[in-house]
Amino acid sequence: AAGVIQSPRHLIKEKRETATLKCYPIPRHDTVYWYQQGPGQDPQFLISFYEKMQSDKGSIPDRFSAQQFSDYHSELNMSSLELGDSALYFCASSLATGEYGYTFGSGTRLTVV
Amino acid sequence: AQTVTQSQPEMSVQEAETVTLSCTYDTSESDYYLFWYKQPPSRQMILVIRQEAYKQQNATENRFSVNFQKAAKSFSLKISDSQLGDAAMYFCASYGGATNKLIFGTGTLLAVQP
Repeated sequence: AAGVIQSPRHLIKEKRETATLKCYPIPRHDTVYWYQQGPGQDPQFLISFYEKMQSDKGSIPDRFSAQQFSDYHSELNMSSLELGDSALYFCASSLATGEYGYTFGSGTRLTVV
Repeated sequence: AQTVTQSQPEMSVQEAETVTLSCTYDTSESDYYLFWYKQPPSRQMILVIRQEAYKQQNATENRFSVNFQKAAKSFSLKISDSQLGDAAMYFCASYGGATNKLIFGTGTLLAVQP
């Protein structure tokens, strides 16, 4: 069965550069969530989209933006990268409501040097 | 608001033995769901088990079962006949229908000793 696809798997950027992470949800899932997991930390909610509209916003820095496109894939854009942005970024998808749990992608490991 | 608390940063169990991971939560919602996710060294987040708060019966998935105590807001995970492949970080999580957001606890790192 198709899973949530994230690209790239690994990304190395320098400080002040820009990064774009992509997420392709499970077919028919119309809700996408982005989480940030720092080393040894639990995943922290960043932002979510339902039917291409932002549905909720968590602890996402102003330097970050995201959107969901007409084909339901989502992109997380991160500008003016800082060393502290180094983390594992997860995308997850669900049907309209997440009561059955989210299906997570394998994550993108971002390293800022 | 929702909060999830896991008070055991690390646990260890002998292969074939049983281990229980603790989780407490707090929520103002009447309609909510609880989950345990497993994160092995590969870092993939894998759903282990799900509990609907309005159901009194404890969820079971093969060797994994929960002890859901709604009044105490407790949701522990029992792993029976532990296997080496069970070694992972386990996250307890809460989802509320009103907030539409999955909130994680800080995780319990489970080691399985051969």
